[in-house]
Amino acid sequence: QQQVKQSPQSLIVQKGGISIINCAYENTAFDYFPWYQQFPGKGPALLIAIRPDVSEKKEGRFTISFNKSAKQFSLHIMDSQPGDSATYFCAACSQGGSEKLVFGKGTKLTVNP
Amino acid sequence: DAGITQSPRHKVTETGTPVTLRCHQTENHRYMYWYRQDPGHGLRLIHYSYGVKDTDKGEVSDGYSVSRSKTEDFLLTLESATSSQTSVYFCAISKTSGNYNEQFFGPGTRLTVL
Repeated sequence: QQQVKQSPQSLIVQKGGISIINCAYENTAFDYFPWYQQFPGKGPALLIAIRPDVSEKKEGRFTISFNKSAKQFSLHIMDSQPGDSATYFCAACSQGGSEKLVFGKGTKLTVNP
Repeated sequence: DAGITQSPRHKVTETGTPVTLRCHQTENHRYMYWYRQDPGHGLRLIHYSYGVKDTDKGEVSDGYSVSRSKTEDFLLTLESATSSQTSVYFCAISKTSGNYNEQFFGPGTRLTVL
């Protein structure tokens, strides 16, 4: 049972474009939704996170949009750059305890110059 | 990088041999986690620890055991390695930041079981 579904599997964007990655979750107990960025040979790095009491969170060129009723959240990368080329993972968990993250399967983003 | 190191970084072993991976943290965080990463599966939780000698199973715990005798060290053991355990293993810690408990990952260990 996949609790967090991520799409697309891969994404190619031109430099300066907008990259959009979507995730959907099933467990309504989830209350913390982070995004991780991973470069080849490295560990995942926390990029941005949101809790369901807000519908949007922005940090620089990265924005999370959250739709609680639809149980969906998405990552938007504005003005995408070649250096953003990486694999992105969405995740979810219930905070306040062991915080066992459930991950999506990842999206490989390629930003062409 | 949250002061997390993993050792070894790469290991090749044969089916049936025992293997122990080590995760070391320098900041005395209570929660520590072991994940495995496989193509097409993302990251999946193997085991986690909520304190010295306190551990629990994750989603894919079969074939793995863990131990935590000191706050700073969390060991993952494959008692008898199988080819299906070929993977990249990541350790993580949970760190409170503002209103969140955030997880930070180590650099990973690439394990190949022949």
